[in-house]
Amino acid sequence: EAQVTQNPRYLITVTGKKLTVTCSQNMNHEYMSWYRQDPGLGLRQIYYSMNVEVTDKGDVPEGYKVSRKEKRNFPLILESPSPNQTSLYFCASRNIGEKLFFGSGTQLSVL
Amino acid sequence: SQKIEQNSEALNIQEGKTATLTCNYTNYSPAYLQWYRQDPGRGPVFLLLIRENEKEKRKERLKVTFDTTLKQSLFHITASQPADSATYLCALDSSGGSYIPTFGRGTSLIVHP
Repeated sequence: EAQVTQNPRYLITVTGKKLTVTCSQNMNHEYMSWYRQDPGLGLRQIYYSMNVEVTDKGDVPEGYKVSRKEKRNFPLILESPSPNQTSLYFCASRNIGEKLFFGSGTQLSVL
Repeated sequence: SQKIEQNSEALNIQEGKTATLTCNYTNYSPAYLQWYRQDPGRGPVFLLLIRENEKEKRKERLKVTFDTTLKQSLFHITASQPADSATYLCALDSSGGSYIPTFGRGTSLIVHP
């Protein structure tokens, strides 16, 4: 089944403790992206990748890192999480010109 | 600056009526426009895609129109049902070459039985 798998689904952590949210897709998609969604602000893009070893900043990249060592994986790294990064995060992938497939989301709480 | 606008107020309609949602944009040359459905706490799910040279697209009870002169897309759900209650997002892909989709903030649709 074609899917984007995101883990974990829920995560509670404390300020400053490094964490990684994993994202994997099984559709051989070139494009992958991370979004955060906050009430009233819609989906805001954090980082995206057009292919392996090619990543670019989105609209809200501060405090986040990504890597694209393999085509299928695109982890989101928070080196030193802060409470303002409490949010609902989505990974998505697609081929250029086609629809986006989204993961099921990661609800992150930073205390 | 580039902007995608969707009505921030929830749309309340009665079951059986047609729901019409609007997506307006400025400072874009869109290659195509997409509509997604999002349920609370879940990832958006793709519904329809319409290209810049298409005026209308249909899928079952859904219809999308795309007017590049008015810079507007309309999304219609006919014979609406309570199960259609969700937030609907439009997304634009610019024809500038980067093909990075940008989302509107979405409109909440509530269908009353």
